[in-house]
Amino acid sequence: AQTVTQSQPEMSVQEAETVTLSCTYDTSENNYYLFWYKQPPSRQMILVIRQEAYKQQNATENRFSVNFQKAAKSFSLKISDSQLGDTAMYFCAFMKQTTGANNLFFGTGTRLTVIP
Amino acid sequence: EAQVTQNPRYLITVTGKKLTVTCSQNMNHEYMSWYRQDPGLGLRQIYYSMNVEVTDKGDVPEGYKVSRKEKRNFPLILESPSPNQTSLYFCASSSPRKGKTEAFFGQGTRLTVV
Repeated sequence: AQTVTQSQPEMSVQEAETVTLSCTYDTSENNYYLFWYKQPPSRQMILVIRQEAYKQQNATENRFSVNFQKAAKSFSLKISDSQLGDTAMYFCAFMKQTTGANNLFFGTGTRLTVIP
Repeated sequence: EAQVTQNPRYLITVTGKKLTVTCSQNMNHEYMSWYRQDPGLGLRQIYYSMNVEVTDKGDVPEGYKVSRKEKRNFPLILESPSPNQTSLYFCASSSPRKGKTEAFFGQGTRLTVV
């Protein structure tokens, strides 16, 4: 079974500063994907960034980047130049390549507040 | 516009009164699934479907039913709702094609069972 752990229930950051959200996972799979989803107050689930496990290079999407450590099974999200619109719940998620996006395993979430 | 549509968005019901939450997608996706979101627990999968007439249990299926008679629709049925099913529910769809890794989520349904 796959498990995803987010150990920071809540975090806050000053506007324009950088913040890192932590995620660890446990799996015996070799081929998989990892994701960060953002859930603003509107409740919509928004894909922020994805990482293929076979790629050593860390994924980046504008102000969002990840630190993927496969051996340590760690997948943290760094948000640079934080903006008020980044205030949201963030979920780390795991997907086996064999089952596709039909079976996602989520962490418990980190509520991020960006302070003006 | 590609989307997953859930209805209703909010629902308050009484214990034992059967209800259905509908989910429809317009992307011709084979895969569809239901999740519930609870504070401190994240999202947990209830049921999923790999295609028409093919469904399977997720991690928390007790008290729920699903059906997949058409590719675009995947309703979630609560035959006899109980207060512990008060939750935020999400439907999602995705493609099984190689390289297609994104799940598309509906807007969520906030269910309260009193």
